[in-house]
Amino acid sequence: EADIYQTPRYLVIGTGKKITLECSQTMGHDKMYWYQQDPGMELHLIHYSYGVNSTEKGDLSSESTVSRIRTEHFPLTLESARPSHTSQYLCASVGQQLTDTQYFGPGTRLTVL
Amino acid sequence: KQEVTQIPAALSVPEGENLVLNCSFTDSAIYNLQWFRQDPGKGLTSLLLIQSSQREQTSGRLNASLDKSSGRSTLYIAASQPGDSATYLCAAHYNQGGKLIFGQGTELSVKP
Repeated sequence: EADIYQTPRYLVIGTGKKITLECSQTMGHDKMYWYQQDPGMELHLIHYSYGVNSTEKGDLSSESTVSRIRTEHFPLTLESARPSHTSQYLCASVGQQLTDTQYFGPGTRLTVL
Repeated sequence: KQEVTQIPAALSVPEGENLVLNCSFTDSAIYNLQWFRQDPGKGLTSLLLIQSSQREQTSGRLNASLDKSSGRSTLYIAASQPGDSATYLCAAHYNQGGKLIFGQGTELSVKP
């Protein structure tokens, strides 16, 4: 089983609050990703990182921000949560080889009231 | 634009049937194609990864094939079981540093 963790698993919060979704992995992977998935819909890449101090925006525009200060940690922050941010957020990481599969965390299901 | 499409969107079969899930991708210049399983409210579990140079991969009752020239992959599940009920996602890996392009998924229900 992959060692990639996300907390919290579920979060219900009011509009305007600042939230941080945590993601950590113990596999020493340089590449990490955040995906957003609405119910019954496909995953969309919103952020990725190729290593410490490297962050890029993904294919789907997102108001969230990310940081990568340590290899194992890739938190995602929403400065002011809105109902439109309600979704599932999945974190993933992958090793260096092209033959490596992506490992996914269990996800955080966010509901903004 | 690189897109991945999966059909059908949903599938319901009786236990014991063999079934095929389809995935197509618009850009054939992939490095690999991956099949994942997602249970409700959970993350993704990797099932099979097929390199661009390979034709198929097998794991237990699962067999995935890849035809780059036609931009298609199939996931074959033999002797389906109720425990196979989940959403199956395919994802194409292009030369973009490991970023995956996902299909919409096929929601499979296997009835006992």
